Amino acid sequence: EAGVAQSPRYKIIEKRQSVAFWCNPISGHATLYWYQQILGQGPKLLIQFQNNGVVDDSQLPKDRFSAERLKGVDSTLKIQPAKLEDSAVYLCASSSWRGLGGELFFGEGSRLTVL
Amino acid sequence: DAKTTQPPSMDCAEGRAANLPCNHSTISGNEYVYWYRQIHSQGPQYIIHGLKNNETNEMASLIITEDRKSSTLILPHATLRDTAVYYCIVRAVYGQNFVFGPGTRLSVLP
Repeated sequence: EAGVAQSPRYKIIEKRQSVAFWCNPISGHATLYWYQQILGQGPKLLIQFQNNGVVDDSQLPKDRFSAERLKGVDSTLKIQPAKLEDSAVYLCASSSWRGLGGELFFGEGSRLTVL
Repeated sequence: DAKTTQPPSMDCAEGRAANLPCNHSTISGNEYVYWYRQIHSQGPQYIIHGLKNNETNEMASLIITEDRKSSTLILPHATLRDTAVYYCIVRAVYGQNFVFGPGTRLSVLP
């Protein structure tokens, strides 16, 4: 079974530039999550989708971050304009239905460096 | 905020059992205890979860105290590949998000 795919793996940009990350979840998984992980900290949830609807985006900085999940499959997370404090690993995860059974499947992450 | 407390770091000798503690004194009756681990440069990986009974799978054992206020993850024969950050999370099954704390950094030493 193919895992969660993310791209790019690494991205370096200057502050005030924009960046987009892509995620392809495990086939058939209805729930998709984006987490932000700053160095030395645990992952922090940014947004959760159930199919193509947003379930929770309470911790998403909406003035600069946006995310969409068209057709309930792939998802894109965008940052515009980026700030220095956005340097982090952006993790995408998916589960069959709101994580019933306890299992989130994570991708390898996209590491963003903002200079 | 995370509802769990874990030691920031632990060491374990290769081949010995690694016992990782977690305190969750405010756990509710409908909340499960989950464990994930994150190996360097990878996303977190599910290990095990339980409600009140002890659980075992091919990766680890989970021991939950009778009052459910704490638990221990046991890796019975730690290997160098078990070096990772281990996260203990409490979560109700339906709908709640997984809130990760800083976890315990386990170093397995040769």
